[in-house]
Amino acid sequence: DAGITQSPRHKVTETGTPVTLRCHQTENHRYMYWYRQDPGHGLRLIHYSYGVKDTDKGEVSDGYSVSRSKTEDFLLTLESATSSQTSVYFCAISVKAHNEQYFGPGTRLTVT
Amino acid sequence: AQSVTQPDIHITVSEGASLELRCNYSYGATPYLFWYVQSPGQGLQLLLKYFSGDTLVQGIKGFEAEFKRSQSSFNLRKPSVHWSDAAEYFCAVGAEDTNAGKSTFGDGTTLTVKP
Repeated sequence: DAGITQSPRHKVTETGTPVTLRCHQTENHRYMYWYRQDPGHGLRLIHYSYGVKDTDKGEVSDGYSVSRSKTEDFLLTLESATSSQTSVYFCAISVKAHNEQYFGPGTRLTVT
Repeated sequence: AQSVTQPDIHITVSEGASLELRCNYSYGATPYLFWYVQSPGQGLQLLLKYFSGDTLVQGIKGFEAEFKRSQSSFNLRKPSVHWSDAAEYFCAVGAEDTNAGKSTFGDGTTLTVKP
């Protein structure tokens, strides 16, 4: 158990509203990641972080922003949610670069 | 850029039968390779990993995988499948990166186990 929690676990929101998802880890690992999972697409990386205030874009970053002001928290924000952002979002951590990742339980987001 | 292909979207095997899930990768250097399993409604759990050394790696739950550089493959195997193995399986390749290693995941293979 890597001590990763995600909140909320489920959320329904309307198109155009801002949404923030939180990932919290208890192990103080350096690397954190946000993915989205959609049928037929596997996991796609949205953003990742390699330290406090150090973040970078993944392959599907449009419409998303992130922040990491503390080692233990990595926030994903949808500035103005769209129906195409309906998905399951997973946070993951890694002890060091290109090592295995440990995943949170996921957040199911529905944008109506 | 690295990529991962899992050719089989869905596989059905009988309980007690052997299993092989295929994974092909594209990567310029020696890859870091992983297999993860996802049960319904859960996050992904690491089954096994390959970084270097022995090309046959053992994982949890009786799984193993073999790295074959000449075929760019990292297939997952289990000699006797249990009903509890029904899940979705993801192969992933890790990146050499200047900052944080990013893993690229395949689209997954869903395993159904028949009684």
